[in-house]
Amino acid sequence: AQTVTQSQPEMSVQEAETVTLSCTYDTSESDYYLFWYKQPPSRQMILVIRQEAYKQQNATENRFSVNFQKAAKSFSLKISDSQLGDAAMYFCAYRRGSGGGADGLTFGKGTHLIIQP
Amino acid sequence: KAGVTQTPRYLIKTRGQQVTLSCSPISGHRSVSWYQQTPGQGLQFLFEYFSETQRNKGNFPGRFSGRQFSNSRSEMNVSTLELGDSALYLCASSQGGDQPQHFGDGTRLSIL
Repeated sequence: AQTVTQSQPEMSVQEAETVTLSCTYDTSESDYYLFWYKQPPSRQMILVIRQEAYKQQNATENRFSVNFQKAAKSFSLKISDSQLGDAAMYFCAYRRGSGGGADGLTFGKGTHLIIQP
Repeated sequence: KAGVTQTPRYLIKTRGQQVTLSCSPISGHRSVSWYQQTPGQGLQFLFEYFSETQRNKGNFPGRFSGRQFSNSRSEMNVSTLELGDSALYLCASSQGGDQPQHFGDGTRLSIL
């Protein structure tokens, strides 16, 4: 079974600075996808960024970028120029590729990100 | 384009009752997945529907069931409610395949 581990229950960063959230996963599959979702107090899960396992290039979405280390099974999220609106729970998630019979998302326990003004 | 809509937003039930939650996916999305979120267990996958067929199911008892209609709207039913069923239930839709899932605001279910 696939597992996703987020080792940082809580992180704090000053506004405008950079923060990195860690995520490791375990799988025997070769075709899979990795995601970072953000859940603010309003509770809606918002997709931040998506990475295909077959792509070596790290995904980037504006201030958000990932460091995908496939051999190490590591998938960290870097938030640059942190803003107050970035404060939320961040979840790392894994999903097997549909070629192998897609399952639901497997989530980590989450990291609570605090932005200090 | 409207997002994923879940109703109701809040629900209070008592033990032994049953409940039905509703999810309307983003227009054009044929896949609907359901997740349970609790402080203790985190986010857990319940099941996924695509074109009215359940394709995958998580590790939940048979009291949890669902269905999908021809317009892709989905309902989730929980029978014989237990205190441990208190949770935020999230619905997510996608176009299917390897397309990313987009979530609704969830239904907060409280069992008294």
